[in-house]
Amino acid sequence: ETGVTQSPTHLIKTRGQQVTLRCSSQSGHNTVSWYQQALGQGPQFIFQYYREEENGRGNFPPRFSGLQFPNYSSELNVNALELDDSALYLCASSRVGAGELFFGEGSRLTVL
Amino acid sequence: KNEVEQSPQNLTAQEGEFITINCSYSVGISALHWLQQHPGGGIVSLFMLSSGKKKHGRLIATINIQEKHSSLHITASHPRDSAVYICAVPPHNAGNMLTFGGGTRLMVKP
Repeated sequence: ETGVTQSPTHLIKTRGQQVTLRCSSQSGHNTVSWYQQALGQGPQFIFQYYREEENGRGNFPPRFSGLQFPNYSSELNVNALELDDSALYLCASSRVGAGELFFGEGSRLTVL
Repeated sequence: KNEVEQSPQNLTAQEGEFITINCSYSVGISALHWLQQHPGGGIVSLFMLSSGKKKHGRLIATINIQEKHSSLHITASHPRDSAVYICAVPPHNAGNMLTFGGGTRLMVKP
């Protein structure tokens, strides 16, 4: 039990639609990061938020955006969905400086 | 060339065997993570280490910063150890901007 929860666990969208994925961080964790994991691949870093500001971004286009709220919960938004966006989306939280990451179970997105 | 390379990609072992998974990286780092991912998808952090060796139960992780190499060992392996093991590194001062290895898929047979 890591205390990091993600919703929804599974969802299906069609090309061009928009999706919002949610992450509730472990209590006391002020840093959240998001990762995309395509089937059979390792995770890829999307971005990281600290104190409600994005402070690191991977090689993902601007249609991937995020928010972090004062209670340290977080959202990942993806606009104009493409077939290649089909993947498992993972969030992970940590306390800044502590290093150890706590991952959620992921949200599996299928784009048709 | 990937910044983080793992070997082997796939590993099948008999219950009780000693298992070693290797990770080499090319970037300067402050720490390295070993992660475990079960078929359902959730990832569990096993170790974060920046030097030397750490042990937790039957799992041991070592790192050699000068050689840019880390190993994960499993002693007395058990079928429940079957999972994908992933090493991941954050470049210096990059927080949780992890670069992941491709993973090692381990199956332990009874």
